[in-house]
Amino acid sequence: EAQVTQNPRYLITVTGKKLTVTCSQNMNHEYMSWYRQDPGLGLRQIYYSMNVEVTDKGDVPEGYKVSRKEKRNFPLILESPSPNQTSLYFCASSLGGQMNTEAFFGQGTRLTVV
Amino acid sequence: LAKTTQPISMDSYEGQEVNITCSHNNIATNDYITWYQQFPSQGPRFIIQGYKTKVTNEVASLFIPADRKSSTLSLPRVSLSDTAVYYCLTLDSNYQLIWGAGTKLIIKP
Repeated sequence: EAQVTQNPRYLITVTGKKLTVTCSQNMNHEYMSWYRQDPGLGLRQIYYSMNVEVTDKGDVPEGYKVSRKEKRNFPLILESPSPNQTSLYFCASSLGGQMNTEAFFGQGTRLTVV
Repeated sequence: LAKTTQPISMDSYEGQEVNITCSHNNIATNDYITWYQQFPSQGPRFIIQGYKTKVTNEVASLFIPADRKSSTLSLPRVSLSDTAVYYCLTLDSNYQLIWGAGTKLIIKP
């Protein structure tokens, strides 16, 4: 089954404690992306990757890092989380180009930073 | 500055046709307009995509006028399970993604 898998689904952490949210897709997609979703602000892109070793900033990259060492994986790293990074995070992938082709989203990771 | 505008919410009844319109000025001239559906606690799910005129698939139709400054998602004969948030997505003239804020559709029995 074609899918994008994120882990964990829920995470509560403390300010400053580094964390990683993993994302994996099994569709051999080139394009992957991370979003955060906040009430009233909709979906905002954090980082995206056009292919292995190619990453770029989205609209709200501050406080986040990503890496794309393999085509299937695109982890999101918060080196020093802060409460304003409490949000619902989605990973997505698509076959090519920008996300404006059919994109597949993960189930989401609800992060709370206290 | 490119902007995508959709109604915040809409109500309808089971069996009705629902049309949700998205206005998008200054979009890329050669890229698609895409609509997604999102249920609570789930990621958005692709519904339909089009470039111009009309596109239809098994769940929806998409109408795009010649000037491409708007698009209308049409859901025929909605059911309670169509209650969700619907987003339109475009690229602006700088090829940056522009998500609409989403339309919360509530279907009543």
